[in-house]
Amino acid sequence: DVKVTQSSRYLVKRTGEKVFLECVQDMDHENMFWYRQDPGLGLRLIYFSYDVKMKEKGDIPEGYSVSREKKERFSLILESASTNQTSMYLCASIGQVVGELFFGEGSRLTVL
Amino acid sequence: ILNVEQSPQSLHVQEGDSTNFTCSFPSSNFYALHWYRWETAKSPEALFVMTLNGDEKKKGRISATLNTKEGYSYLYIKGSQPEDSATYLCASRPDSNYQLIWGAGTKLIIKP
Repeated sequence: DVKVTQSSRYLVKRTGEKVFLECVQDMDHENMFWYRQDPGLGLRLIYFSYDVKMKEKGDIPEGYSVSREKKERFSLILESASTNQTSMYLCASIGQVVGELFFGEGSRLTVL
Repeated sequence: ILNVEQSPQSLHVQEGDSTNFTCSFPSSNFYALHWYRWETAKSPEALFVMTLNGDEKKKGRISATLNTKEGYSYLYIKGSQPEDSATYLCASRPDSNYQLIWGAGTKLIIKP
């Protein structure tokens, strides 16, 4: 059973803290994505990676960075969390044949 | 700027009734149209990836149609069941790059 696993389902952090969100996929996919989802809005792309050590900014990269040291792992980093980064974060990888996305269960981050 | 619009935002349907909702996308740049189902506390799950104008796809009681010339897709659910309660997301893929443009979703609630 194919899987995308996000390390934390729920996190509560304080303003200014550094936050790591980890994502691992077991499908040998090259392309991986980090989105955030906020009420009333479509998923917004933060960063994506098309290969190890390669990354591209998405629509809303400000305040975020990413790391892709191994093919199966894509990490999202909030260097200094702020309250406007309170959101649901979704990691995904994309299948090569049909092109559908495989998602993790999401990480709900609250920044106080 | 590409926009994907979904309507309605939310929908209450009696168990056993059939329902449908809409995804509108820019027809000028089109590569594929995706539908996902996102149940509470679970990962978004791919339903359909559609590429051809006039295409119709079916998965059990759920089906989808695609009109790329006018830029819309319909999702139909026949004989709604409580397990159909979810948010249904659609996303347009404008070109062969893997970035998708997402609608805000239609939240479907099935009343027993």
